Amino acid sequence: ETGVTQTPRHLVMGMTNKKSLKCEQHLGHNAMYWYKQSAKKPLELMFVYSLEERVENNSVPSRFSPECPNSSHLFLHLHTLQPEDSALYLCASSRQLAGDYNEQFFGPGTRLTVL
Amino acid sequence: GQNIDQPTEMTATEGAIVQINCTYQTSGFNGLFWYQQHAGEAPTFLSYNVLDGLEEKGRFSSFLSRSKGYSYLLLKELQMKDSASYLCAVMDSNYQLIWGAGTKLIIKP
Repeated sequence: ETGVTQTPRHLVMGMTNKKSLKCEQHLGHNAMYWYKQSAKKPLELMFVYSLEERVENNSVPSRFSPECPNSSHLFLHLHTLQPEDSALYLCASSRQLAGDYNEQFFGPGTRLTVL
Repeated sequence: GQNIDQPTEMTATEGAIVQINCTYQTSGFNGLFWYQQHAGEAPTFLSYNVLDGLEEKGRFSSFLSRSKGYSYLLLKELQMKDSASYLCAVMDSNYQLIWGAGTKLIIKP
């Protein structure tokens, strides 16, 4: 059983909708990540949080807004998305932001379709 | 720029051995990871190499040569359930993971 959960698993939304993706980790980790995965492309890192502080924002459009209220929860708020934003959105966590043997544990992802 | 290269797709036969290669060019190196991802599921951690050499874990082994910017994942005694994508990722000097596009492995009976 994965220690990282994500809801919803599937989401279909129109371009004018506002929705949120939720991620929760039960591993006691200090770092959390949002990734976008499109077909046949490498995972794209979107946001990184360490101890609830955002440490990375990889030129992500403002229509994606992350929130990390505590070290166990991470949200991705979606607003006026485009069809090209359709993808699998993966949440991950790791014990810490840096260091050896610091593998990331992934949630099952949210399959997002923007109409 | 930073780059990870791995074959797009490979096919192998059940019971055989397959080697998936990964070459990388990154700004700094703090370890290389291999992940397995079944269709529609989360990536799961397979192995981590930070020093040169071979790491063995059951049917799976991973090799690293830092001087050559090269790694491979070796899968032995292939089973149908090994059909999946295999992702290579390198942690750069900023401890950020740089990902390859993944190798889709198809196992045939």
